Amino acid sequence: AQKVTQAQTEISVVEKEDVTLDCVYETRDTTYYLFWYKQPPSGELVFLIRRNSFDEQNEISGRYSWNFQKSTSSFNFTITASQVVDSAVYFCALTGNNDMRFGAGTRLTVKP
Amino acid sequence: GAVVSQHPSRVICKSGTSVKIECRSLDFQATTMFWYRQFPKKSLMLMATSNEGSKATYEQGVEKDKFLINHASLTLSTLTVTSAHPEDSSFYICSARSPRDWNEQFFGPGTRLTVL
Repeated sequence: AQKVTQAQTEISVVEKEDVTLDCVYETRDTTYYLFWYKQPPSGELVFLIRRNSFDEQNEISGRYSWNFQKSTSSFNFTITASQVVDSAVYFCALTGNNDMRFGAGTRLTVKP
Repeated sequence: GAVVSQHPSRVICKSGTSVKIECRSLDFQATTMFWYRQFPKKSLMLMATSNEGSKATYEQGVEKDKFLINHASLTLSTLTVTSAHPEDSSFYICSARSPRDWNEQFFGPGTRLTVL
């Protein structure tokens, strides 16, 4: 069975702070994909990144970076120098041989 | 990029009525679409997988007779909430599987259903 755990329910930071959102997954598939999505108050899911299980290279995109470690089954997401516009719910998700499964989400609030 | 639309974006209905939500892939054909339900401050839960030309596959615990899914064409899937009740109020999100990549889904903007 596939499972995604986002242990942090809510995080609150002050603007310009760095923040890391944790994601731990479980799967028996040897080939799988991990995703991060942002859900602003409007509700629409915004795709951020996809990683396949064979690519453990970390990725950086502007203020966003992702750390994928198969040894710990983690795919953590860091926002550097957070901004108020980063306030949203962030979901980690997993697909393999089965359908996409989402974590519970982490609500990030960035205060000015 | 691939675009998926949903209509309506918001709907308010009376208890006991039926509501249809449409999910369209605008610039690609999707043999498989998915329907998710999201309660306030909760995660997305997969309700069913909709395959063009065949019956939908429902997740355990989802009532087939209450949530009717039809995928009559390669660009359209519909979810009909029959005899809606206040507990059916939720945010419904559809997605369409990419024709090029089995592991990629494109999500619609969601439909907020309120049953009075």
